[in-house]
Amino acid sequence: QKEVEQNSGPLSVPEGAIASLNCTYSDRVSQSFFWYRQYSGKSPELIMSIYSNGDKEDGRFTAQLNKASQYVSLLIRDSQPSDSATYLCAGLMDNNDMRFGAGTRLTVKP
Amino acid sequence: DAGVTQSPTHLIKTRGQQVTLRCSPKSGHDTVSWYQQALGQGPQFIFQYYEEEERQRGNFPDRFSGHQFPNYSSELNVNALLLGDSALYLCASSWDRAREQYFGPGTRLTVT
Repeated sequence: QKEVEQNSGPLSVPEGAIASLNCTYSDRVSQSFFWYRQYSGKSPELIMSIYSNGDKEDGRFTAQLNKASQYVSLLIRDSQPSDSATYLCAGLMDNNDMRFGAGTRLTVKP
Repeated sequence: DAGVTQSPTHLIKTRGQQVTLRCSPKSGHDTVSWYQQALGQGPQFIFQYYEEEERQRGNFPDRFSGHQFPNYSSELNVNALLLGDSALYLCASSWDRAREQYFGPGTRLTVT
């Protein structure tokens, strides 16, 4: 099992809808998780970090961490075409080694 | 406030050659991590430098080496280049080894 796994998608949602991105992780990953957005040909851009169980909201983005089930999710409300990108989930290992999922490609259709 | 910078932007090398990539961290950051990202995949951790020492290393051969300078900038060296080394090389910095990492624009390396 990979340390961090994501559904590669692609995920397609209409403009204005809620996009839901999910990620699962192994026991080797610690309690720190991060969501990055990566546009084609660009480097990853940090969207949110989440360290404790529960929800964390920042504007249109909500990150959710469920330690019991070992999953992390990212909700994007009122999705816009500019949100079309690959979303990377990352988790910090116990030795501070960051592990990334393969990414989920999101397309928001006007 | 300058973000993470990397140089060069693009690089073309021949198999067997050696390459050096450079990274300057975000102001206030003291930790630099390097990643390799192949097309369609997530970044793969190469190693992390903190206090001028390699602290953690991913599953990469010894052909990959690095250095961190007193001003926290860092270099990634790859020897005996292989075709499979063609990728986007990303540098990320953080103010603590266990905190959020911010990426530079990357260096696109092509090995022919």
